Amino acid sequence: AQSVTQLDSHVSVSEGTPVLLRCNYSSSYSPSLFWYVQHPNKGLQLLLKYTSAATLVKGINGFEAEFKKSETSFHLTKPSAHMSDAAEYFCVVSDLRVSSTFGDGTTLTVKP
Amino acid sequence: SQTIHQWPATLVQPVGSPLSLECTVEGTSNPNLYWYRQAAGRGLQLLFYSVGIGQISSEVPQNLSASRPQDRQFILSSKKLLLSDSGFYLCAWSLNTLYRQGAYQPQHFGDGTRLSIL
Repeated sequence: AQSVTQLDSHVSVSEGTPVLLRCNYSSSYSPSLFWYVQHPNKGLQLLLKYTSAATLVKGINGFEAEFKKSETSFHLTKPSAHMSDAAEYFCVVSDLRVSSTFGDGTTLTVKP
Repeated sequence: SQTIHQWPATLVQPVGSPLSLECTVEGTSNPNLYWYRQAAGRGLQLLFYSVGIGQISSEVPQNLSASRPQDRQFILSSKKLLLSDSGFYLCAWSLNTLYRQGAYQPQHFGDGTRLSIL
């Protein structure tokens, strides 16, 4: 069975400070992991993906995530937050099943 | 490149009325297709997925149904809407990697339909 836990439902940062959104996963197989971003009333946009290649994955808009098998984590980071980063973020795990398992989401607020 | 179209963007329907939401994908063949519902301020709930024409799997029992009449067309329907059917409906596609173990592909989402039931 697979599962994903986003450890924070809300994260608030100031513009220009680092962002850390935490995600832990569970999978019976070697998984793929993804982060998505969703702006209000929009669909989900893929930020980055891990598919058993490099453990440090770089994505769009300056985001990156590191796959840590020993910690079963896939945390999303960005060195400097921008106002436009305010959105909902979803961590997703996918393995042998056709459908993926989505986390409950983390709302990122960026203060000026 | 691949694109996904979902319409309408917003829909207001009375309780008991029928529903038909359509999703089409361009630029790929034999994709996996998905319907999700997202309640206000909550995560995604997988409703249906399809690995091929006429092949539909339901994840959650409800008064909704899905059909895939063509390879890149996915339709979400209801005969009689309930108040609880309100929400944001998202269609998504992914490459069909059922036989490519270890090469799992991400899902790509449409812009969603905001459905309000009155």
